[in-house]
Amino acid sequence: DTEVTQTPKHLVMGMTNKKSLKCEQHMGHRAMYWYKQKAKKPPELMFVYSYEKLSINESVPSRFSPECPNSSLLNLHLHALQPEDSALYLCASSQESLGQGQTYEQYFGPGTRLTVT
Amino acid sequence: GDSVTQMEGPVTLSEEAFLTINCTYTATGYPSLFWYVQYPGEGLQLLLKATKADDKGSNKGFEATYRKETTSFHLEKGSVQVSDSAVYFCALSVPGSYIPTFGRGTSLIVHP
Repeated sequence: DTEVTQTPKHLVMGMTNKKSLKCEQHMGHRAMYWYKQKAKKPPELMFVYSYEKLSINESVPSRFSPECPNSSLLNLHLHALQPEDSALYLCASSQESLGQGQTYEQYFGPGTRLTVT
Repeated sequence: GDSVTQMEGPVTLSEEAFLTINCTYTATGYPSLFWYVQYPGEGLQLLLKATKADDKGSNKGFEATYRKETTSFHLEKGSVQVSDSAVYFCALSVPGSYIPTFGRGTSLIVHP
């Protein structure tokens, strides 16, 4: 199974709402990522989890709160978002390579299309 | 810092035409190189990769060769199909960091 799943596929939320995005993988990958992607742009890294611990936070506003409950699941909690946060949110996973002499490709989910009204 | 430069799109071709999408990079260390493809409404998928100089990655008729002397990893396909219409991202990762550096992406439009 080389699939990363994400739910929901689409989400519309108001600026005062609280919602969560979910991501799941069963490839045994110990690195998991959240990206934000605007139209016609490359993905921008938001967070990286390594062995269920947050290892990288790319100066993301606190209205985005990641969580990694176990090695297969990754959540992104959303609260008080702004219209400019509307984007495609991508989850990815990979083998953990930090400290090793190798690099590994990432496996991406289909994304959640978020619209903030 | 590390960077990836891709040709600006869109690239518009007729079906069965030859495709080249240029990609050059700068990196500290000895990177692995990747091409990802993103079809409309989907996430990114790994298309091919190469981990050392002169390696050729290939998949679905696409090829790219890791050229250290020219710091390039150009994507080619001999005969494109309408179904190849997508955005193609060149990326690199350096050993010890699992975070890729992406190029800007190149949109490919193939007409029947």
